[in-house]
Amino acid sequence: TQLLEQSPQFLSIQEGENLTVYCNSSSVFSSLQWYRQEPGEGPVLLVTVVTGGEVKKLKRLTFQFGDARKDSSLHITAAQTGDTGLYLCAGVETSGSRLTFGEGTQLTVNP
Amino acid sequence: EAGVAQSPRYKIIEKRQSVAFWCNPISGHATLYWYQQILGQGPKLLIQFQNNGVVDDSQLPKDRFSAERLKGVDSTLKIQPAKLEDSAVYLCASSLHSRNSPLHFGNGTRLTVT
Repeated sequence: TQLLEQSPQFLSIQEGENLTVYCNSSSVFSSLQWYRQEPGEGPVLLVTVVTGGEVKKLKRLTFQFGDARKDSSLHITAAQTGDTGLYLCAGVETSGSRLTFGEGTQLTVNP
Repeated sequence: EAGVAQSPRYKIIEKRQSVAFWCNPISGHATLYWYQQILGQGPKLLIQFQNNGVVDDSQLPKDRFSAERLKGVDSTLKIQPAKLEDSAVYLCASSLHSRNSPLHFGNGTRLTVT
């Protein structure tokens, strides 16, 4: 059983569409991070959320941390082909210090 | 600032052979991580160093994997002997502190065991 469940696993959409990906757990996290990974490269941090209910925006990307700090979502508005990549959520449990990654959502934005 | 450097970029070996990967973290970053990423999966932590001490190696297969960070700067990860299931990308990352700090990743070493 994965500590962090991401859904959907794969997503293929057309340029201009909106999308939401989810990161869920039964555990409580002190913080949650979102990364994007492109082929042949390491993950790159997009955002860190630390407060329950927190919403952060990064241009067309909106990140939300659940009130109970057990889940998070990433919403992309008007997707572009450059948004294509593997989106990973990663969290540190309140009871530990290890950063654990989910399995990722592979997003493909078609022109 | 210079990023996390890893080498080699690719490595192909036969099963039962040994292999070593090298990582140079961002200058000043106290914490260094080695992650294993199997195709189609998220990264899995193998070992975490704080300076030259091991913080977490609970998921490191110690019968075949070893890692060191002797001077608290660069690090090496070794596999001996390799198995087919070790085929993966090995990612090194560093961060300023250990808890809640963002990780900066290198581009990884892609290992293929035949």
